[in-house]
Amino acid sequence: SQTIHQWPATLVQPVGSPLSLECTVEGTSNPNLYWYRQAAGRGLQLLFYSVGIGQISSEVPQNLSASRPQDRQFILSSKKLLLSDSGFYLCAWSGDRGQAEAFFGQGTRLTVV
Amino acid sequence: TQLLEQSPQFLSIQEGENLTVYCNSSSVFSSLQWYRQEPGEGPVLLVTVVTGGEVKKLKRLTFQFGDARKDSSLHITAAQPGDTGLYLCAGALGNQFYFGTGTSLTVIP
Repeated sequence: SQTIHQWPATLVQPVGSPLSLECTVEGTSNPNLYWYRQAAGRGLQLLFYSVGIGQISSEVPQNLSASRPQDRQFILSSKKLLLSDSGFYLCAWSGDRGQAEAFFGQGTRLTVV
Repeated sequence: TQLLEQSPQFLSIQEGENLTVYCNSSSVFSSLQWYRQEPGEGPVLLVTVVTGGEVKKLKRLTFQFGDARKDSSLHITAAQPGDTGLYLCAGALGNQFYFGTGTSLTVIP
C-alpha cells in the first residue's frame, strides 16, 4: 500500500531563517506531488505541484520554492522566512494515470516568530 | 482564485439532526472529491464522484455530483459527534486539485 510521510510535524523558526520541509511517498512510482498551505479552518491553497523529477509548477508568487530531487521526494524551501509564511503546510500525492484522488501527509505546523 | 465555494462555512447541530453541505463552482471538473479533516491532521478522502448526477453513499453520508459536474452536495443523516470536523470538497482539473473554502461541522452530543 502507498504511504506518505511528511516532517517535521511542528516547527518554530525565527524571521529570516531558512526552511526545509520534506515529503516522501512509498509504494508507488512517478506520483504527482503537491504542496498546499492551509489557513486555520479553511480551504487549501495550492503552492506547487510536480509531475516528475525536476518538474515544478508554481501556482502563486511567494517567498517559497519547491524541488523534486528524486521520484518520490518533494521538498519545500525558503531562504529567508517571513512572518506571513506561518501556516499549516500539507504535502499530497496522486497517481499519474488520471486517478483523480489526492492523498495527504499529516501536515507541518510552521510558526515564524 | 477560489474556484469552489462551500456553504455553509460553519455549522453547529445537535446529535441526531440531518445536514447538507454544498460545494458550488462555475467550472466543470473531471471529478470531485470530498475530504474530512481533523485539527492538526491532513485531510482524509471520503469519496470521489466522477459522473454527472452520480450519487454515492457511505453509511450515513450521501454524496451527489451535479448533472453538469460543476457542483456537489454532502448530506449527513442522524449526525453523530464523531462526524465533527472540517469538510472539504475538491475538484480535479488535469493534474491539479482545487479545494473548496471548507465547512466546519460541530455535532453537539
